[in-house]
Amino acid sequence: EAGVAQSPRYKIIEKRQSVAFWCNPISGHATLYWYQQILGQGPKLLIQFQNNGVVDDSQLPKDRFSAERLKGVDSTLKIQPAKLEDSAVYLCASSLAGIGEQFFGPGTRLTVL
Amino acid sequence: AQTVTQSQPEMSVQEAETVTLSCTYDTSESDYYLFWYKQPPSRQMILVIRQEAYKQQNATENRFSVNFQKAAKSFSLKISDSQLGDAAMYFCAYRSTNTGNQFYFGTGTSLTVIP
Repeated sequence: EAGVAQSPRYKIIEKRQSVAFWCNPISGHATLYWYQQILGQGPKLLIQFQNNGVVDDSQLPKDRFSAERLKGVDSTLKIQPAKLEDSAVYLCASSLAGIGEQFFGPGTRLTVL
Repeated sequence: AQTVTQSQPEMSVQEAETVTLSCTYDTSESDYYLFWYKQPPSRQMILVIRQEAYKQQNATENRFSVNFQKAAKSFSLKISDSQLGDAAMYFCAYRSTNTGNQFYFGTGTSLTVIP
């Protein structure tokens, strides 16, 4: 069974630039999560999708961050414009709806200069 | 909102010895899931062990076991016969069973294994 795929693995941009991350969850997993993990901290949930609907985006900085999951499968997370404090690893995870654990992707390490 | 607290930012253990990582959580729900995840340096986060709140029996997975105290809202992880490969960040996580099934993570415990 293929795991959660993310790309790119690494990205370096300058502040005020835009960046987008892509995630493809495990086949059949209805729930998809985007987390931000700053070095030395635990993952912070940015947004949670159930199929193509948003369940929780209360911690998503909506003035600069956006995410979509149009067909209920893969998802993109965008930052526009980026700030220095956005430097972090962005983790995507998926789970079967209603049960069980999350399966994580390898993450995208973003550095904003 | 639920909160998950890991009060030990760093722990160390001698190889082959046993170590216990602490986790407490705050919730008003009666049914939920608890997890321990392991994140090795620069590597993917993987599940170590899970516990359903309705089960009284503590979960075990080979050298990993938990001490689940529902009334005390405590969920500690015991690693027996520690190995060098156990060195990692360990995160405790809580999953709600209400609408949305939100996950909440603790701040992590960095485990060092001393040869």
